Parts: sequence; C-alpha cells; structure tokens
Amino acid sequence: GAGVSQSPRYKVAKRGQDVALRCDPISGHVSLFWYQQALGQGPEFLTYFQNEAQLDKSGLPSDRFFAERPEGSVSTLKIQRTQQEDSAVYLCASSLDLGGGGYTFGSGTRLTVV
Amino acid sequence: AQSVTQLDSQVPVFEEAPVELRCNYSSSVSVYLFWYVQYPNQGLQLLLKYLSGSTLVKGINGFEAEFNKSQTSFHLRKPSVHISDTAEYFCAQTSGSRLTFGEGTQLTVNP
Repeated sequence: GAGVSQSPRYKVAKRGQDVALRCDPISGHVSLFWYQQALGQGPEFLTYFQNEAQLDKSGLPSDRFFAERPEGSVSTLKIQRTQQEDSAVYLCASSLDLGGGGYTFGSGTRLTVV
Repeated sequence: AQSVTQLDSQVPVFEEAPVELRCNYSSSVSVYLFWYVQYPNQGLQLLLKYLSGSTLVKGINGFEAEFNKSQTSFHLRKPSVHISDTAEYFCAQTSGSRLTFGEGTQLTVNP
C-alpha cells in the first residue's frame, strides 16, 4: 500500500484481557519498528525487525509484550494480561533500509485499558 | 545512552510570527537528526533530516533546521507560521537501529 496501515485505530480492553495490534508496512520495506507513545510523551522504542528476524527487542517493557513478523511483511504486537499502564498509542514504522532514517509511520493504535 | 532534549514543552505564537523550537542531542561519532510533526490523532510525519553535508537543512512546509556540532543543537525554525502549523513537534536522533525521541514541543499558533 501507499502508507503504513495499523489496525485497529482504537482499542478498549478490560484489565487482564489479551490484545493484538496489527501493522501492515509499505510493500518492500525491510525494516519494521514498534514504538509506544504515552500521553504527552515522545515515542519510546519497543522492538525492531529486519525482514522476519527480530533483531532488537530490548525496549519491550515486560514479558507480557510479544511481537512477530513471520513472513517479513505484516507484524503483530501482542500484549497479554493488559494493565492500565499499557494504555498508550502504539506506533508502527517501516523503512526500506536502516540507513538515513527514512521511516514512515502509521497513524497508530490507541489502546485504553479500563 | 542517547538522549534528546527539547527545551520547551509548549510554544505559543501569533500567526505570521517567526518561531524556533529548540533541540539538543547527545554527542556521537556519527549523528543523524530528525524533526517530526504530529497532528492530533495522527502518526508522525517527517519534516526534515540531517545526515551529513550542509548544516542548514530545509524541509517541508517552510521549516528549516541548523545542525550545530559545537553546541550539540538542532533547532527548528520557520520565519512565518500559519494556524495550520499548530501541532506537536518531535526532535529525534538515531541510536543504532532505533530513533530516540525528545519529549515533544506543542506549537500553538494563535490568530
């Protein structure tokens, strides 16, 4: 597609529920990133894929967070047993390569845990 | 660890006035710097980037930024702002495979 597509745009989850957030990157983009943006804050790095390989997951806040990109295109960020502090906007970005910071961001998924 | 500091959390200005949004970055051997804009309920849009070469970088929507190595700064400027420039602006620096963002500056342009 023309841009990075994320779904759903909004998600309300009850505390303890599992959620799955989807990112559809620009076709042919090798690199894919997930960021978490809390209200009034800058985005914080979560994880990075190069094709299907997850090369950096050091930003994942706990073992409740899991990301995958099995075929090197669409990626899913899964959060198990959601907690209120997980409420944030989750941004996905893709890039043709690592150099030059040519990242294209999606519109994000706003997750609210109640 | 890399850190990016945006010195102003909020900047109110009047329409057609000049504006400067300040950003300081962590010194590094190679530095790639970026400014992004975020409109309400939207993702981040790249305004401009510095990779190498000329220290004055021109971006979209009339914005420009100057890379200053001695002061480790990358301030964003626009000579005359419009109401439509009202948004959150983020300065960012690459750190390995990731972007490290500042906390953001809310620019509000008033009529």
